[in-house]
Amino acid sequence: DSGVTQTPKHLITATGQRVTLRCSPRSGDLSVYWYQQSLDQGLQFLIHYYNGEERAKGNILERFSAQQFPDLHSELNLSSLELGDSALYFCASGTSTDTQYFGPGTRLTVL
Amino acid sequence: DAKTTQPPSMDCAEGRAANLPCNHSTISGNEYVYWYRQIHSQGPQYIIHGLKNNETNEMASLIITEDRKSSTLILPHATLRDTAVYYCIVRVYGSGNTGKLIFGQGTTLQVKP
Repeated sequence: DSGVTQTPKHLITATGQRVTLRCSPRSGDLSVYWYQQSLDQGLQFLIHYYNGEERAKGNILERFSAQQFPDLHSELNLSSLELGDSALYFCASGTSTDTQYFGPGTRLTVL
Repeated sequence: DAKTTQPPSMDCAEGRAANLPCNHSTISGNEYVYWYRQIHSQGPQYIIHGLKNNETNEMASLIITEDRKSSTLILPHATLRDTAVYYCIVRVYGSGNTGKLIFGQGTTLQVKP
């Protein structure tokens, strides 16, 4: 158990819909990272938040957004969902430059 | 961040040492070598990291060559539960780094009875 929690574990929705994925970092960690893992793209970095502020963006679509709240939990919002958005979404937490610890992931299926 | 090269797959007999190689010939002086693994579709699990000295923890040992252009992750007594995809990642450690991890294709290690 890494200490990082993600909800929900599974999410099934339809194209065009909007969903929110939630991540709670390990106690004391200020950073939250989001990654997407699809069959054809592998593990891809999406975005990084540190203590409520966006630090870096990776291959994150404009239909996706994220935020980190004062209690340090983070949410990843995915809108206008397409079939190709079906993937595993992982969050990881860590100090700003230290080792990252990954949560169990949310499996998103878009039908 | 430097690019890494790993063999796509390896087999290892249960109870034997698993030696997973990684090439990172363009590594910079301030870049560390990190190893993660992913068992089935679980979240990647941190294993070990190092700069230039060999490192050991309860999970594995990391051997980095003197020129730092390659490294080897050693699982001393592989078990069936070590079957996973192993990722070698090189990244800067220190202030100003966004901390993102760039995953390659990794090495799929199959531990056989």
